[in-house]
Amino acid sequence: ETGVTQTPRHLVMGMTNKKSLKCEQHLGHNAMYWYKQSAKKPLELMFVYNFKEQTENNSVPSRFSPECPNSSHLFLHLHTLQPEDSALYLCASSPRAGVRDRLYEQYFGPGTRLTVT
Amino acid sequence: LAKTTQPISMDSYEGQEVNITCSHNNIATNDYITWYQQFPSQGPRFIIQGYKTKVTNEVASLFIPADRKSSTLSLPRVSLSDTAVYYCLVASRYGGSGNTGKLIFGQGTTLQVKP
Repeated sequence: ETGVTQTPRHLVMGMTNKKSLKCEQHLGHNAMYWYKQSAKKPLELMFVYNFKEQTENNSVPSRFSPECPNSSHLFLHLHTLQPEDSALYLCASSPRAGVRDRLYEQYFGPGTRLTVT
Repeated sequence: LAKTTQPISMDSYEGQEVNITCSHNNIATNDYITWYQQFPSQGPRFIIQGYKTKVTNEVASLFIPADRKSSTLSLPRVSLSDTAVYYCLVASRYGGSGNTGKLIFGQGTTLQVKP
């Protein structure tokens, strides 16, 4: 247990469906991240939030829409996905508190295995 | 962010010490060296980080020479459960663009521990 939970753990959706992935961290961190890991590929950073504000969008298609209502929760809304979007979606958080930032120390959740049919 | 180079795969046997070396020739002054471990179908797990010389924790040791252009992760007496992918990353303490903590994961080193 890393203190970061993700739901659901597995999701199968059609290309016309709308679904959401949820991430919650119980570590008191203020930075949260979404990553995508496709088969045989390195992790790809998708979005970064610091203190609820989005600070990075790594050229992610608009069919992926993140939401961060507070520092403990992060959502990824999915709409009109493509089969190539099938992957493991990982959420992470890291501590940041001014000069004591440890942004390189990220705690990952178990991921959501997404299959788009 | 500095690019890292590490072996694609390594094999070892239970009880042996494993050393995985990573090169990062373009490391910047504010960069830290960080290692993560990932088991199949799980998120990566932070193992250790260092800036220079030697760092040791309950899981591993990290050796960094004076020029900081490389680092070596040392796993003492590995067991079958240490079979995983190990990632070497260089990251600014203060993040990438916009102070975001951006980490760039490469292919990592797949360590296979045999009985």
